[in-house]
Amino acid sequence: GDSVTQMEGPVTLSEEAFLTINCTYTATGYPSLFWYVQYPGEGLQLLLKATKADDKGSNKGFEATYRKETTSFHLEKGSVQVSDSAVYFCALEPGANNLFFGTGTRLTVIP
Amino acid sequence: DADVTQTPRNRITKTGKRIMLECSQTKGHDRMYWYRQDPGLGLRLIYYSFDVKDINKGEISDGYSVSRQAQAKFSLSLESAIPNQTALYFCATSEPTGANVLTFGAGSRLTVL
Repeated sequence: GDSVTQMEGPVTLSEEAFLTINCTYTATGYPSLFWYVQYPGEGLQLLLKATKADDKGSNKGFEATYRKETTSFHLEKGSVQVSDSAVYFCALEPGANNLFFGTGTRLTVIP
Repeated sequence: DADVTQTPRNRITKTGKRIMLECSQTKGHDRMYWYRQDPGLGLRLIYYSFDVKDINKGEISDGYSVSRQAQAKFSLSLESAIPNQTALYFCATSEPTGANVLTFGAGSRLTVL
């Protein structure tokens, strides 16, 4: 069935370090892919998305490229800030009815 | 005001009690969802509704029921709460067009003793 496998955390980085959070998926057809972010005490909010192969989603310095050949949608940021500390969720939408979420990766950025 | 408002934000109750979590939205979206978040398990879908007359079970609907009172209101009930329903519950909405981008509420933390 459809599923998302996400890099386990927690991840701790120093400010200005490079970030990669891995996400791979299993799905039939051509799903849409998302990264959501959850800041402390808040609900999830969309960070970026990609709706077809080779699309690159980007927002707030974060990027992820939809790689169909490797079934991946890894999240990257060149230089993280303390304010990026949050939990990051990869998600898959195989059709119109549901999103499948990964288990989340907690990122802590230290000054 | 938030686009998606959940009440209560925190609730502690006892086993066997009936609990209702409420959600209201000002986005004007037809689609509404209830998710449950548990550590290490991510978010799992409990119920979803695509309009007032449409209710669908999600991945983990056992022990839960919902009511869509209006386009803007979608409530989740636990008829007889049990400790393993202790979790963080999120309501979300989405538009029916394009990629299914969800707008989430801030969450309702439920503890069942």
